[in-house]
Amino acid sequence: QKEVEQNSGPLSVPEGAIASLNCTYSDRGSQSFFWYRQYSGKSPELIMFIYSNGDKEDGRFTAQLNKASQYVSLLIRDSQPSDSATYLCALRNGGSYIPTFGRGTSLIVHP
Amino acid sequence: NAGVTQTPKFQVLKTGQSMTLQCAQDMNHNSMYWYRQDPGMGLRLIYYSASEGTTDKGEVPNGYNVSRLNKREFSLRLESAAPSQTSVYFCASSGDIGQETQYFGPGTRLLVL
Repeated sequence: QKEVEQNSGPLSVPEGAIASLNCTYSDRGSQSFFWYRQYSGKSPELIMFIYSNGDKEDGRFTAQLNKASQYVSLLIRDSQPSDSATYLCALRNGGSYIPTFGRGTSLIVHP
Repeated sequence: NAGVTQTPKFQVLKTGQSMTLQCAQDMNHNSMYWYRQDPGMGLRLIYYSASEGTTDKGEVPNGYNVSRLNKREFSLRLESAAPSQTSVYFCASSGDIGQETQYFGPGTRLLVL
């Protein structure tokens, strides 16, 4: 059973702070990792993907992957109220193109 | 470029009624997926299609059938709707390995009374 664990939250941070979202997984064969953002009532949209250990930065977003410890994180710098959404972690095993999704973490950025 | 489209956006059914949810993508993707999303449960895969002409069961296939009509279209059918099928249904598509980002449609909100 491939499992992806996320704290459901809500995670509440003040505007301008760094929001840190975490995801742990059990399948050591996982090779591709994704972060999707889902606004209330909308469909998920990809924010970032990461394949290699270390950090990957894109604007205010940084994905961090540690395969040895089996976790992937998403940092959002200078958080804005518009970042308030549910963030879904997903991963894919190298032998499959079917991703497994976590249940998501709700982020609230308050002014 | 519309991406992934779904119809209808919202539907109310009575228990036992049938319906088909339609999905189409214009990105020339090989793979298509149907998910349901319930509060606190995340996205659960119902069925997927790796390519035109193939379909496979996902995590929660019971009560559903699918048809990959052509490369663009992938439909989901509820033969006899049950209240437990009240959910939001998302269709998604993706390219081959190496182009594996999933693109989601806007969703269909289904209420079964």
